[in-house]
Amino acid sequence: SQKIEQNSEALNIQEGKTATLTCNYTNYSPAYLQWYRQDPGRGPVFLLLIRENEKEKRKERLKVTFDTTLKQSLFHITASQPADSATYLCALEINSNYQLIWGAGTKLIIKP
Amino acid sequence: DTEVTQTPKHLVMGMTNKKSLKCEQHMGHRAMYWYKQKAKKPPELMFVYSYEKLSINESVPSRFSPECPNSSLLNLHLHALQPEDSALYLCASSHLGGNNEQFFGPGTRLTVL
Repeated sequence: SQKIEQNSEALNIQEGKTATLTCNYTNYSPAYLQWYRQDPGRGPVFLLLIRENEKEKRKERLKVTFDTTLKQSLFHITASQPADSATYLCALEINSNYQLIWGAGTKLIIKP
Repeated sequence: DTEVTQTPKHLVMGMTNKKSLKCEQHMGHRAMYWYKQKAKKPPELMFVYSYEKLSINESVPSRFSPECPNSSLLNLHLHALQPEDSALYLCASSHLGGNNEQFFGPGTRLTVL
């Protein structure tokens, strides 16, 4: 069955450094991979989407890479700030029925 | 308007109660979703509606009954719930087809006593 792993339950990063989060998957060839941010008690907020034929996507301080050979996506936040502290979820869209397969999330803590 | 609204924000109910959760969006999205989320877990898909018709039901117990009265509204009717059903219930919407982000509401925090 499809399995999605995000690198760790929690990641502590010093303010100003680059945070790198990992999303690994098995058994499927997703058409799209999405990253969301979720704050406690709130719904996820969409950040970036990358297609299977794209290697990299950027938005301000965010960068996503997608390696379909390694079956891995990396999510980078450069010049991290305490306000970036949240849980980050990756989600795969594997077919056209609008269903996303979600990773468990990585809790990112940016320390001042 | 790029917002999905959900009411109520919090709900406490007994196991014999009947209640409803409501969700609304005015972004013209024709796909709407109900998710259940437990603490420190990812969202778990319950139902998907496309063009106001139920297209996915992820083997959800019948004590949860979805309804899509029109293209902007989505309800989740609750009856005879169990304490283990306590969770954050999230509504989301999106355009149809691939390559589409999902817009989530703030959720309803449900506690079943």
